[in-house]
Amino acid sequence: DAKTTQPPSMDCAEGRAANLPCNHSTISGNEYVYWYRQIHSQGPQYIIHGLKNNETNEMASLIITEDRKSSTLILPHATLRDTAVYYCIVRWNYGQNFVFGPGTRLSVLP
Amino acid sequence: DAGVIQSPRHEVTEMGQEVTLRCKPISGHNSLFWYRQTMMRGLELLIYFNNNVPIDDSGMPEDRFSAKMPNASFSTLKIQPSEPRDSAVYFCASSLALAGGGYGYTFGSGTRLTVV
Repeated sequence: DAKTTQPPSMDCAEGRAANLPCNHSTISGNEYVYWYRQIHSQGPQYIIHGLKNNETNEMASLIITEDRKSSTLILPHATLRDTAVYYCIVRWNYGQNFVFGPGTRLSVLP
Repeated sequence: DAGVIQSPRHEVTEMGQEVTLRCKPISGHNSLFWYRQTMMRGLELLIYFNNNVPIDDSGMPEDRFSAKMPNASFSTLKIQPSEPRDSAVYFCASSLALAGGGYGYTFGSGTRLTVV
């Protein structure tokens, strides 16, 4: 599975959009980009995934660059409950398992 | 749906004792995963099952660790004998099909193990 690079931490003001970047420059054509988050003391939670096109669901939007070497997870109106570690993972959709890196620790500030 | 259920939530045991962690996956899911999380190493995959059969146990640290899935609704992770360095949060996750489907894995709330 391709490796990803994320900033170790970010801050965001409550009510503002949180934009979390992820670099995956060695991604291959059949690898998907997945995002999970882990709120303190809980298990990781699936957020969204995509291959080439931008994706949106009730939790977030995923923007993937045209060359697919990077992506951005957008939380449109961050709340205090969005404070968590966010993991960007690249893998085949029919691959083996998810390999979690250190992620980005997002702090939403009042 | 009750989600993935793990028990116990917390376990404190003495070094050398046997520890058994339990997991009930989501009904209908056919893949089950055991992860371990520590501050030093983050989230690590220990073993995963597909249709109750162990597929990859390369993440199991050593022979002291063993996992079973006797049926589709139950799995155990056993540590015997336990050591202080096994202290961690152990997560179980399940998914539909090995691919994980379009929604990835559903994780349980974890078992926090402390070996003293």
